[in-house]
Formats: sequence, structure tokens, C-alpha cells
Amino acid sequence: DQQVKQNSPSLSVQEGRISILNCDYTNSMFDYFLWYKKYPAEGPTFLISISSIKDKNEDGRFTVFLNKSAKHLSLHIVPSQPGDSAVYFCAPPPTGNTGKLIFGQGTTLQVKP
Amino acid sequence: DGGITQSPKYLFRKEGQNVTLSCEQNLNHDAMYWYRQDPGQGLRLIYYSQIVNDFQKGDIAEGYSVSREKKESFPLTVTSAQKNPTAFYLCASSSRVRTGVLSLHFGNGTRLTVT
Repeated sequence: DQQVKQNSPSLSVQEGRISILNCDYTNSMFDYFLWYKKYPAEGPTFLISISSIKDKNEDGRFTVFLNKSAKHLSLHIVPSQPGDSAVYFCAPPPTGNTGKLIFGQGTTLQVKP
Repeated sequence: DGGITQSPKYLFRKEGQNVTLSCEQNLNHDAMYWYRQDPGQGLRLIYYSQIVNDFQKGDIAEGYSVSREKKESFPLTVTSAQKNPTAFYLCASSSRVRTGVLSLHFGNGTRLTVT
């Protein structure tokens, strides 16, 4: 049972333009969502989160939008920079008290100079 | 500096041999995790441990084993029963920040190649 789905395995944008990465989820009871960024041969690093009581959270060039009715969240990067080229994962919190943390399949973003 | 250390960075083994991947953290985190990354498959959870001397299977635990004898350490053994062991393995630990959000910290991974 895939709790989150990132249906676009890859995305390519021009430097300076907007990058939009999408994530769909199934459980409407999630309290928050996390986005992680991963460079090749490195571990992922936390990027930004959004609480389920909000519909937007902004941190510099990164903004995450949450559409609860559609069970959809998106990460916007504006303006995109070549250093943003990485794999981006969305993740819901663990369900119940299991501590089991599951990630989406990831979207590989390439920002072209 | 606090962090998670995975060693070695690259590991090569012959098919049929067991191999143990090391993961050490000095962040004083209770929970630790093992994931593997394969091209096009994202991060898949192998095992996780919420506390010392306790661990649970993730989604792809077959062919793997773990132990959690110390808070700081969560080694992963890839056994000969694992059918496709060649992958990039990531260890992580977690804590809850004040807002209750679970924050995951990752090591830099071990690339295991089995031939």
C-alpha cells in the first residue's frame, strides 16, 4: 500500500524558471508532510515541511502547497538553480506509533544552465 | 560534530558471502532506520528500530538482519539469502523536534556491489 506517490520520475527545467514537484497521498489523517533532497552518493537532507493545518509553507526559494481536498502536495522552487538538481522525496509522518517512515519514489530534477 | 557515520563508503563482496554494514550515530537519537535505494525505486525501508534491543521489519526485510545492542549503533547484515544485494544503502536516525515533526538524519550511504 503506497501511502505517497510521486508520479513523475523526472523533471527538467531551465535555470531561472519554476520547478514544480508533485506528490499524492492516500491517508487524510497525516499531520504533516516532509520533503527531502538527495544528491548522488549522499544521504537525503531535510528540505521543508508543511503541517496539515496549513495550505502553504514558504522557505526562501522553496514553497510547499497542500491541497487537502485533492490529497495532493507540491513543492515549488523559484527561481530554479543548477545546484537544485537532485532527487526530491516526499514523506508522510509515521502512522500510529510504529515509527515506520515511508518515502515516495522520488522525482529527479535537472536544472539546465 | 554530531552526525551519522556509515562505513565503508564502497563495499565489494562475492556472491554467497554475508556482509555487515556499519552505522553509528552520536546524535542521541532513539530511532534508527535502514533503507536501500535502487534506480527508479526511491527509498525502500528494510528495518527500523525505535529503541535499544527492539527492531521491526520494514517493507523489504527478507535476506537482511539487524541488531540494536547500543543506542548509537544499528548494523545491517546482508545475507546470502538476499537475491539482489547490489544497491546503495542508507542509514538514518530520527528525533522529534518541538513541534512534533519527525526529523530524519541520514548518513552518506554505503554502495554495496556483489558479484
